[in-house]
Amino acid sequence: DAGVIQSPRHEVTEMGQEVTLRCKPISGHNSLFWYRQTMMRGLELLIYFNNNVPIDDSGMPEDRFSAKMPNASFSTLKIQPSEPRDSAVYFCASTDNSNTGELFFGEGSRLTVL
Amino acid sequence: GQQLNQSPQSMFIQEGEDVSMNCTSSSIFNTWLWYKQDPGEGPVLLIALYKAGELTSNGRLTAQFGITRKDSFLNISASIPSDVGIYFCAGREAGTALIFGKGTTLSVSS
Repeated sequence: DAGVIQSPRHEVTEMGQEVTLRCKPISGHNSLFWYRQTMMRGLELLIYFNNNVPIDDSGMPEDRFSAKMPNASFSTLKIQPSEPRDSAVYFCASTDNSNTGELFFGEGSRLTVL
Repeated sequence: GQQLNQSPQSMFIQEGEDVSMNCTSSSIFNTWLWYKQDPGEGPVLLIALYKAGELTSNGRLTAQFGITRKDSFLNISASIPSDVGIYFCAGREAGTALIFGKGTTLSVSS
């Protein structure tokens, strides 16, 4: 079975550019999460969706960050404009919402903003 | 807000040694999970715990859900080189999203 699929795996961009990260959750999973990982702050929850509806976006750093889930099989995380401090690995994870809390992670998108 | 304190931050051990790491939370959790992350990969679930006092094993790994529901530990016995990686605890209160500790980086020398 395919796991959580993220793209791109790596992105290098210049400050001020728009960045779009993409995620396809595991089929049948109805909750999707975006995390950001840095050395200093570890894994931080940015936002999560249940049944395509954003539930908690309190972790989104600021208005430059936005996330959408137009359908059950696709989500995007957009940063506009990007800044060097946004450099991190961004993970998408999904779960079948069985209340067990077990998340399945993608391989991550490593973003470098110059 | 919720906080998870994971320790130690890093460990350097010899192959064959046992390893222990733990997490404490500022609030009561109803789920504790332990994940491992290999370089360039996403975290992978190792063990899940759902009841206070629960002790669960997965091969050489053993984890326990603390009685107070505010802590958990993970033990690795007879470590091998492929145990190298970052180990994360994660926990959640009912109806909330999972939060993660900052990880324990394990290095094993043969």
